[in-house]
Amino acid sequence: AQSVTQLDSQVPVFEEAPVELRCNYSSSVSVYLFWYVQYPNQGLQLLLKYLSGSTLVKGINGFEAEFNKSQTSFHLRKPSVHISDTAEYFCAVSDGTGGFKTIFGAGTRLFVKA
Amino acid sequence: DTAVSQTPKYLVTQMGNDKSIKCEQNLGHDTMYWYKQDSKKFLKIMFSYNNKELIINETVPNRFSPKSPDKAHLNLHINSLELGDSAVYFCASSLYAGREETQYFGPGTRLLVL
Repeated sequence: AQSVTQLDSQVPVFEEAPVELRCNYSSSVSVYLFWYVQYPNQGLQLLLKYLSGSTLVKGINGFEAEFNKSQTSFHLRKPSVHISDTAEYFCAVSDGTGGFKTIFGAGTRLFVKA
Repeated sequence: DTAVSQTPKYLVTQMGNDKSIKCEQNLGHDTMYWYKQDSKKFLKIMFSYNNKELIINETVPNRFSPKSPDKAHLNLHINSLELGDSAVYFCASSLYAGREETQYFGPGTRLLVL
């Protein structure tokens, strides 16, 4: 069965510093991986997704993520964060074993401080 | 133009009442979803419809009943509301029911049961 673990529930970081949000997944078959962002009092929106091909995926707002099959990870990175990046970030996986389901991680709260 | 809209945005009600949440998408998508997000931000799929056909039906109390009158609308009716139903309910849509598909989320309906 597919599952997602986000290793950090909260990540505080200073403005203009780099950040990495960690995500590990569990699946015995090929996977599709996603990162979504949820700004306060809003719905989720897609940052980026990995379907196949290059393991480095670039998304919106300067974010990128790297798919590592051997480590079953899909960590999200940004080289320099802004105050406006403060939000909840969700990693998600879909491998078909759950039918059409996408399974979401518990979320990581990124808090960018001035 | 709002892509995925939900009404109402806030819902405060007493235990035992029956309430409905409505969702509409103007993206021309075939597939719609209902998610429940609890107070710890954990996001769980409840139901999904593809072209008005139920394709995901998670282990949810049968007090929750979805209805899709057409592929642009997915409503959620909840009977005999309980305190534990308090949460944010998100509607989402995707172009079709594929595991690689991006989901587009509505702004959420914040339900508080007193």
